[in-house]
Amino acid sequence: QVQLVQSGADVKKPGASVKVSCKASGYSFLTYDITWVRQAPGQGLEWMGWISANNGNTKYSQNLQGRVTMTTDTSTSTAYMELRSLTSDDTAVYYCARVEYIGSGMDVWGQGTTVTVSS
Amino acid sequence: QSALTQPASVSGSPGQSITISCTGTSSDVGGYSSVSWYQQHPGKAPKLMIYDVDNRPSGVSNRFSGSKSGNTASLTVSGLQAEDEADYYCSSYTSSSVWVFGGGTKLTVL
Repeated sequence: QVQLVQSGADVKKPGASVKVSCKASGYSFLTYDITWVRQAPGQGLEWMGWISANNGNTKYSQNLQGRVTMTTDTSTSTAYMELRSLTSDDTAVYYCARVEYIGSGMDVWGQGTTVTVSS
Repeated sequence: QSALTQPASVSGSPGQSITISCTGTSSDVGGYSSVSWYQQHPGKAPKLMIYDVDNRPSGVSNRFSGSKSGNTASLTVSGLQAEDEADYYCSSYTSSSVWVFGGGTKLTVL
């Protein structure tokens, strides 16, 4: 079946970096783009950015510009999101989601990866 | 890019209908037919309920419907059921080529 499986929970110290993976299966990886969304404890959803699985083009939220990098490995159908210079404000559940085209919505989601930033 | 505006909470009794609004600007909701709605139960990943303003993915109940007028999109849930109790988020593509979410609405089934 179509699914996105993310890497496990992680704990980082302030100033460190984290890299979350999102492995796709059950569909043609190159046909869909991947977006990343995060949710701080008790808060709403925040769009982080988007990457085209077909050509690697990216677009990031202005709030995270300069700290986030999204990549894909088409040989393993895996997307990655790296966030640098972590602070406690980055403590959140990080989700990857599949997008077919601009209006199609995010129709398949990963299970989420909890990232905790604590000294 | 500012978040879209949603009411913090709505409620209704079983069998009733409720509507959740999502207000943006001409640079997002009003300018694109790219509004989607997501349902999120506690501790779970969001689930796509509506895309392209008023389309339902396969498997989503026809009790859920979407619409848009000007800069405001709406999600209507008819025939409320206990399982509909969840948080709901709208999202829109924007003129800055990014997506933006609403702040979320907690639906309580009384």
